[in-house]
Amino acid sequence: QVHLQESGPGLVKPSETLSLTCTVSAGSISSYYWTWIRQPPGKGLEWIGYVYYGGSTNYNPSLKNRVTISVDTSRSQFSLKMTSVTAADTAIYYCARGFPNVAFDFWGQGTLVSVSS
Amino acid sequence: SYELTQPLSVSVALGQTATITCGGDNIGNKNVHWYQQKPGQAPVLVIYGNNDRPSKIPERFSGSNSGNTATLTIGRAQDVDEADYFCQVWDSRSVVFGGGTKLTVL
Repeated sequence: QVHLQESGPGLVKPSETLSLTCTVSAGSISSYYWTWIRQPPGKGLEWIGYVYYGGSTNYNPSLKNRVTISVDTSRSQFSLKMTSVTAADTAIYYCARGFPNVAFDFWGQGTLVSVSS
Repeated sequence: SYELTQPLSVSVALGQTATITCGGDNIGNKNVHWYQQKPGQAPVLVIYGNNDRPSKIPERFSGSNSGNTATLTIGRAQDVDEADYFCQVWDSRSVVFGGGTKLTVL
């Protein structure tokens, strides 16, 4: 079955850029909306945004100015970049597979990103 | 923006039925999905499309959705069901999660 795996630095300094990659294996990256979701410690889930395999994107309005999500179909990967991070961006970041009006059926295990100097 | 409201916590006696609600404006017109999350783990889909179960999810899990409230029902609650539960919908191509409910099995 489909497997998603997040990768990237676990520590980012304030004001710098957070960069994560999600690698999709055992399944095609085509025809789905590849999504980033985060969860601050002890809190709920927050949708960050998604990229369609064709490249179109949509972002949470509260993060839109700082976030870019892109896809590399040749590598079966999609990526998240978040600029100007602060301590409030400290969270577990999950990648997931979804489609409009459909549930997120596969999730990565999550990766903790801490923002600290 | 669309909002989903869940109770912070729900308690249920072992073997009894737990109900977790998810409130939203005319949520009955949307497809509601439910996720279970245990400490240190990623969320797991337990109900999709209001009342369908993935194949690996026990039949004890069911859902309903009408009017302004969607409900996740867990029959014959077991210790392993103790977890956080999140509802989720799509709204105008954006994704919305409820705040989450902590289910305690007594």
